[in-house]
Amino acid sequence: GNSVTQMEGPVTLSEEAFLTINCTYTATGYPSLFWYVQYPGEGLQLLLKATKADDKGSNKGFEATYRKETTSFHLEKGSVQVSDSAVYFCALSSRMDSSYKLIFGSGTRLLVRP
Amino acid sequence: NAGVTQTPKFQVLKTGQSMTLQCAQDMNHNSMYWYRQDPGMGLRLIYYSASEGTTDKGEVPNGYNVSRLNKREFSLRLESAAPSQTSVYFCASSSGLWNSPLHFGNGTRLTVT
Repeated sequence: GNSVTQMEGPVTLSEEAFLTINCTYTATGYPSLFWYVQYPGEGLQLLLKATKADDKGSNKGFEATYRKETTSFHLEKGSVQVSDSAVYFCALSSRMDSSYKLIFGSGTRLLVRP
Repeated sequence: NAGVTQTPKFQVLKTGQSMTLQCAQDMNHNSMYWYRQDPGMGLRLIYYSASEGTTDKGEVPNGYNVSRLNKREFSLRLESAAPSQTSVYFCASSSGLWNSPLHFGNGTRLTVT
């Protein structure tokens, strides 16, 4: 079945460091790929998405490229800030009979120190 | 801009008690979902409703029931709570169109003792 694997956290970085959070997936067909972010005490918010191979999603300085050949969708940011501290979830879309759902990875906690 | 509203935010139950988690969205979305979030396991789909009047099981439906009361509201009921149902529950909605994002509520933290 379809699945998403993320690197385990926590990831601890100093402010202005480069961020990579790895995400790989297993899927039949051509899913869309998403990154969601969860700040403490809140629900998940869409960060970025890509709908086909070689697409690059970007938002708030974060980027991820849909790599079909390596089945990956790694999240990157060139210079992290303390305010980026959160849990990041990689997800893929999977069709159901009459709708679709998102399948999530286990999440990666990012802690950015001043 | 309310988006997706869940109530209550916190709840403590004793084993065997029942309760209903409420969810409402004001975005005129067709599809609604209930997920549970557990440490190290990401989010798992409990039930979903592709459109008003329909509901279907997700990955972990045992011990839960749902009602799509109207287009706006989708409730989750625990008939006889168990400690294994201690979790954070998230309601989400989407337009239902392929590739459209899910919009999440802020969650309900449930503890069953």
